[in-house]
Amino acid sequence: GQQVMQIPQYQHVQEGEDFTTYCNSSTTLSNIQWYKQRPGGHPVFLIQLVKSGEVKKQKRLTFQFGEAKKNSSLHITATQTTDVGTYFCAGQGYQKVTFGIGTKLQVIP
Amino acid sequence: GAGVSQSPRYKVAKRGQDVALRCDPISGHVSLFWYQQALGQGPEFLTYFQNEAQLDKSGLPSDRFFAERPEGSVSTLKIQRTQQEDSAVYLCASSLVRRERLEQYFGPGTRLTVT
Repeated sequence: GQQVMQIPQYQHVQEGEDFTTYCNSSTTLSNIQWYKQRPGGHPVFLIQLVKSGEVKKQKRLTFQFGEAKKNSSLHITATQTTDVGTYFCAGQGYQKVTFGIGTKLQVIP
Repeated sequence: GAGVSQSPRYKVAKRGQDVALRCDPISGHVSLFWYQQALGQGPEFLTYFQNEAQLDKSGLPSDRFFAERPEGSVSTLKIQRTQQEDSAVYLCASSLVRRERLEQYFGPGTRLTVT
């Protein structure tokens, strides 16, 4: 079945440093989505990537979808304490969406 | 408008009890998903509805789990004869359309504790 691996599982950064999380799927995806979950909260949709090689930016966040549509990354430039949370990728196959384990980001002020 | 709502927010059940978890999706959303999220893990897919049709229930862990969405709106996830391993947060998500545009909007979840 479809598997989505995400690394690293944990990341501690000093405020102002950059952060990247990577997502790899065992199968080609039709699209990939990224979500953020704050401690005690629920996943909140950030963005969806559909096209091979697609790059999207949201302020300090840059999302990439690989050429083979099997991997993706989220990069945060100059982290802030408000970026704290767990970032999940979710790869969509035919109909099912498979979530990665998430990367828990801690930002040290 | 209102987001996805779930009730109850917290449920404590004794092992062997039946529970029913409710999800009210965003009005007009066609797709509805149920996930199980254990502590420190990502959401694990349970089942998917498109309107009232349950198109995928491959993630339901056992025949003790049953979900329905009879009128294509509100959905209920029922767990019979709860076991301790059922303890988790159960998340419901809805989406406006289907397939390629499945950005999902999550509810706050129901935290189920089986004692």
